[in-house]
Amino acid sequence: AQTVTQSQPEMSVQEAETVTLSCTYDTSESDYYLFWYKQPPSRQMILVIRQEAYKQQNATENRFSVNFQKAAKSFSLKISDSQLGDAAMYFCAYRSAGHTSGTYKYIFGTGTRLKVLA
Amino acid sequence: EPEVTQTPSHQVTQMGQEVILRCVPISNHLYFYWYRQILGQKVEFLVSFYNNEISEKSEIFDDQFSVERPDGSNFTLKIRSTKLEDSAMYFCASSERQKNTEAFFGQGTRLTVV
Repeated sequence: AQTVTQSQPEMSVQEAETVTLSCTYDTSESDYYLFWYKQPPSRQMILVIRQEAYKQQNATENRFSVNFQKAAKSFSLKISDSQLGDAAMYFCAYRSAGHTSGTYKYIFGTGTRLKVLA
Repeated sequence: EPEVTQTPSHQVTQMGQEVILRCVPISNHLYFYWYRQILGQKVEFLVSFYNNEISEKSEIFDDQFSVERPDGSNFTLKIRSTKLEDSAMYFCASSERQKNTEAFFGQGTRLTVV
């Protein structure tokens, strides 16, 4: 079974600085998707960035980028130029492509709470 | 931009009562999901639904739970006899396809069982 691990329950970053949130996962599949979701105090789940496992190039979305290391099963999120509005809970998630597992459910990590200091 | 809409945003119910959580998925999406997040814990998969039937469910999704797509737009989660431990945030999600696409989540319904 697939698992997602976020080993940092909480992180802090100074405004305008860069922070990296860690995520590791375990799977025997070769084709899958990885996501980072942001959950602000409103508790809505907002997609930050996604990565297809078959793509070697790391995904980027403005100030957000990932470091995807497929062999190491690592998927970290880097937030550059941190802003106060980035303060939230961040969840890493895995989703199978379904070819072998037949499942398309998301598997979430336990989350990292990011605090942004003014 | 299309979005998944959930109602109500917050529901308080007495233990043992039935509740129905409602979701309006994005209009051209065909796959629907319910997830649950107990306060302070991770988001957990409950059930996926396609073509008017359950395609996958977790061990959490027992006989107390049911899902339905009563019309062309709504997707509902019913809890027949709520328990205190059902208190959680419930997220609906939808996707256009199963493959090669992500699911879009609604803003969630906070269910409080008293």
